[in-house]
Amino acid sequence: NAGVMQNPRHLVRRRGQEARLRCSPMKGHSHVYWYRQLPEEGLKFMVYLQKENIIDESGMPKERFSAEFPKEGPSILRIQQVVRGDSAAYFCASSPRTWLDTEAFFGQGTRLTVV
Amino acid sequence: EDKVVQSPLSLVVHEGDTVTLNCSYEVTNFRSLLWYKQEKKAPTFLFMLTSSGIEKKSGRLSSILDKKELFSILNITATQTGDSAVYLCAVALGGGAQKLVFGQGTRLTINP
Repeated sequence: NAGVMQNPRHLVRRRGQEARLRCSPMKGHSHVYWYRQLPEEGLKFMVYLQKENIIDESGMPKERFSAEFPKEGPSILRIQQVVRGDSAAYFCASSPRTWLDTEAFFGQGTRLTVV
Repeated sequence: EDKVVQSPLSLVVHEGDTVTLNCSYEVTNFRSLLWYKQEKKAPTFLFMLTSSGIEKKSGRLSSILDKKELFSILNITATQTGDSAVYLCAVALGGGAQKLVFGQGTRLTINP
């Protein structure tokens, strides 16, 4: 859905650099989810955030990965010291409430390539 | 571990054919099942199913859920080349786990 904005659309990083992926949810949405899609695989849940709070980060690697959703501004997924295995498409989804009541809308994704 | 399995993984048919895509699941706290279409970009929402046996329909697409046998099917009739995409099935978990568990997707190719 065009309402969820992710940038950049494509990101190339050398091994060891940092990657910052941004997600601006749809207007009025306070719930943000990050998913990772490896080539030829389905989407894998990483983290669920509400404004200023991480609700569930059970799908996020313990090291090098972090996420935030500040009071003002977009949600950021940060990957430090990237490795080749981090190459994937990272999708953000937002919803006005939890999954229980409504489907979420996905952004266009950021394709990260680590060289 | 919560699991969603789709079959087939890949399907090639001719324009005009009817296709059935399958999704089975095994999760601890089922809330709803969703189907998405993905064409090299964001997954776009197709259906959300919460009740068994009630068919949801949108044009040539339809879907139904069987909560006893833990599966769902997505039917596409009179397929067109524009239906070529990856179709993703996901289960929304209830309780305290607010997330979707996705299957690996079915890559559908419609040849003219």
